[in-house]
Amino acid sequence: SFVLTQAPSVSVAPGKTARITCGGNNIGTKSVHWYQQRPGQAPVVVIDYNSDRPSERFSGSNSGNTATLTISRVEVGDEADYYCQVWDINSDQLVFGTGTRVTVL
Amino acid sequence: DVQLVESGGGLVQPGRSLRLSCAASGFTFDDYAMHWVRQAPGKGLEWVSGISWNSDSIGFADSVKGRFTISRDNAKNSLYLQMSSLRPEDTALYYCVKDTYMIVGATQLDHWGQGTLVTVSS
Repeated sequence: SFVLTQAPSVSVAPGKTARITCGGNNIGTKSVHWYQQRPGQAPVVVIDYNSDRPSERFSGSNSGNTATLTISRVEVGDEADYYCQVWDINSDQLVFGTGTRVTVL
Repeated sequence: DVQLVESGGGLVQPGRSLRLSCAASGFTFDDYAMHWVRQAPGKGLEWVSGISWNSDSIGFADSVKGRFTISRDNAKNSLYLQMSSLRPEDTALYYCVKDTYMIVGATQLDHWGQGTLVTVSS
């Protein structure tokens, strides 16, 4: 089955930029979605492709074998686990990445 | 506002069955695909199953295929997960999740419930 690999953790200072990568075979050909899960809470989508109000600080890119979530001007409230997600058409299954814990120093 | 409220979780012995329900409100339920996603204690997210708006397309994770069944009742704005032959490794918080789209496959998960905890133990 399709595997999405994320670094276990990323640390960033407030006000700086955090980059969270998601690696997968030819992931650049797929639509990638990102979710934020704060401690004790349910996940929320961080880049909503169906929204008419794009996020000011969260952006995504995707090419080749790596997708990237960029968080600009990091805030303490961004401290959370972040998961990437794709739909694997070969197996007809949804796949989550392994997750990255973002710590704001 | 979109609301998804799961119920039916609890403690169950290995090999037994359990049925989870999800009551949806705040949106036109039969316009969207729906999913179940689970999270074992201290672990990451795992997709369990998804169902299209009209139940024509259904998918399962390999880990539950043949043991779990997903269904929906659009008249009752409800989603269900019938779990059988439960194993200790099925222990997790089970989330009911709304898709952005009608069909399973384009999938973005745009609203999540708070989850219902299933514990499989003797």
